[in-house]
Amino acid sequence: AQSVAQPEDQVNVAEGNPLTVKCTYSVSGNPYLFWYVQYPNRGLQFLLKYITGDNLVKGSYGFEAEFNKSQTSFHLKKPSALVSDSALYFCAVRDMSGTGGYQKVTFGTGTKLQVIP
Amino acid sequence: EAQVTQNPRYLITVTGKKLTVTCSQNMNHEYMSWYRQDPGLGLRQIYYSMNVEVTDKGDVPEGYKVSRKEKRNFPLILESPSPNQTSLYFCASRQSTGELFFGEGSRLTVL
Repeated sequence: AQSVAQPEDQVNVAEGNPLTVKCTYSVSGNPYLFWYVQYPNRGLQFLLKYITGDNLVKGSYGFEAEFNKSQTSFHLKKPSALVSDSALYFCAVRDMSGTGGYQKVTFGTGTKLQVIP
Repeated sequence: EAQVTQNPRYLITVTGKKLTVTCSQNMNHEYMSWYRQDPGLGLRQIYYSMNVEVTDKGDVPEGYKVSRKEKRNFPLILESPSPNQTSLYFCASRQSTGELFFGEGSRLTVL
């Protein structure tokens, strides 16, 4: 069974400082990995994904994530945090070895990012 | 504008009163799915649909039904809602590039 772990319920960072939101995953096959952001009273929005190739992927709003196969991690990063980055962040994994055309997506429990002015 | 539209956005109902949450997408996506979001549990999949007339259970399907008669619509039906179905519900469709496109959510309270 596949799973995603976001070990921190909340991450606090000062504005202008670098931020990291952690994610580790477990799948039997090759993973597609995603990060989504949820602002208050809104739906989830896609930030970035890893499918194959370069381990460092860049996404929206200056975010990037690093895929580490040996550590089964996909941490979200940003060099300089903004107050407007404060939101709930979800990591998700899709196991590409699924049969019948369906590949299940599993979400982590979410990490609340608080950027302090 | 690409959209997944859910209605209603907010609903308070009573135990046992049937309700339907509608979901419509204008992107011609084949895959659609329903999730519920609960504190500390993240998003859990209720049902999904690979295409018209093709639906299947997700992780938490008990107490829910769905239908997919048209490509654009994927309603979620609660035949006899109970308080443990109080939650925030999201409909999503999947882009050809793999990422999910979510609606704005429907907050349901069952008294």
